Formats: sequence, structure tokens, C-alpha cells
Amino acid sequence: QSVLTQPPSVSEAPRQRVTIFCSGSDSNIGNNAVNWYQQLPGKAPKLLIYLDLLLASGVSGRFSGSKSGTSASLAISGLQSEDEADYYCAAWDDSLKGYVFGSGTKVTVL
Amino acid sequence: EKQVLESGGGLAQPGGSLRLSCAGSGFSFMYHAINWVRQAPGKGLEWVSIVSGDGTYIYYADSVMGRFAISRDVSKNTLFLHMSDLRAEDSALYYCVKGTNSGNYKGDYDYGMDVWGQGTTVTVSS
Repeated sequence: QSVLTQPPSVSEAPRQRVTIFCSGSDSNIGNNAVNWYQQLPGKAPKLLIYLDLLLASGVSGRFSGSKSGTSASLAISGLQSEDEADYYCAAWDDSLKGYVFGSGTKVTVL
Repeated sequence: EKQVLESGGGLAQPGGSLRLSCAGSGFSFMYHAINWVRQAPGKGLEWVSIVSGDGTYIYYADSVMGRFAISRDVSKNTLFLHMSDLRAEDSALYYCVKGTNSGNYKGDYDYGMDVWGQGTTVTVSS
């Protein structure tokens, strides 16, 4: 049972937009920044977004992050086949004194 | 280029021990937090442990507290994860992950983890 809640999967057609939501609590998202990671099939994860909305180095501008209260979201616009991956949200948790991850969302490009 | 390379994974019996190593290049462990993150087969990511750049702060997930311990050799830019009393549920791919910042200050954690190794596999089975 992950501390942060994400939908298991989302799917959309090429060139469309998808949004992945991540829900937490005051001790994590409510009080700390959210980071997003992309894990392509068979690969190590990669940092996509940090400090809620800043793009990591080399990340396409088609990715964007936002946060409000204890929830955050990752949007992918202009969806491409190469975006098919698992996406994880994460945040520091002040009560647990460690990072907590979401359960991951699998993005499928139809 | 900043890289981390894990080693030391393998097969261990329940109740046994293993030591994982993480060697960093292109950056100094003195100025970056280093994390261990694991992923069981077909499952999601689980954070395991972190050590801050100055070594002052070390934190563990509840699931490994008292069984795993971090140590490091800053002169060799190498980190170790000492795993004991291993359980079947510890079986996973273990990633060593560089923190974007030092981890010496709470706000550093907001910058995430920016360099991931390829992982080393730990299997706990009799």
C-alpha cells in the first residue's frame, strides 16, 4: 500500500494530452515538493520534474507538473509512443523521515 | 558524466546477509545525498535509505529499520548497504540513486534524485 495514491493506468491517443494525479497528505505533498519519475520498460527510472513543476535537465517541454494542497499532477501533451512508460510521483515525508512514492501509473498510447 | 554503479547483489538465504556497494563517478559523495531505492519484480518503487552528503543524516524506511545499515568511504566515493536478517520480501532490484542536492538541509529533498544506476538484484530464497 503506497503512501501516495496514483491511478494504475491511463491511456490516450497520439498527440493528445494526459494528466496523472497523485494524492498525498499534509506530511508529504502538503509540506514538501513533489518529484516525478519516468520509467521506460526495462530501464532505470529517470527524474522528470522536481520542485513540483521544474523540468529536469533534458526533459521535453511536453511534460509539466503542478501541485495544489495535498495533490499533484503530471501532464503530458502531444502524446507520443515513446512516452509509454510507468510514471511515479514522490515526495519527502516529514513523519516517516523518508521519501514516499506513488504506486505508479502506466501510460499507454493507443 | 555523473554515474553510479551498484554491485554485490546475489542470492541469500532467509535470515542471511549481503552487502551492496555503490561507486560514484563524476561527482563527490561529500556534496550529494545518496539513496537506495528498490523495486520488487513487477512492482513499484520503494525508497529504502538515504545518507546526506556530510554524513550527518541517515534515514531508513520502516520496512528495513534495524536490519539494514549504510556506511560509506568518502575517499573512494563508495557507499555500502549492509543487509542482514534478510526476508523474502527484500528480494528486489536495488538502485543506488544520487540526490540532486546534499541532503544536509531539509529543503534539499525537494530536488529529488537525478542519477540512477542500473541496479543490482537481490534474491532471498532457501
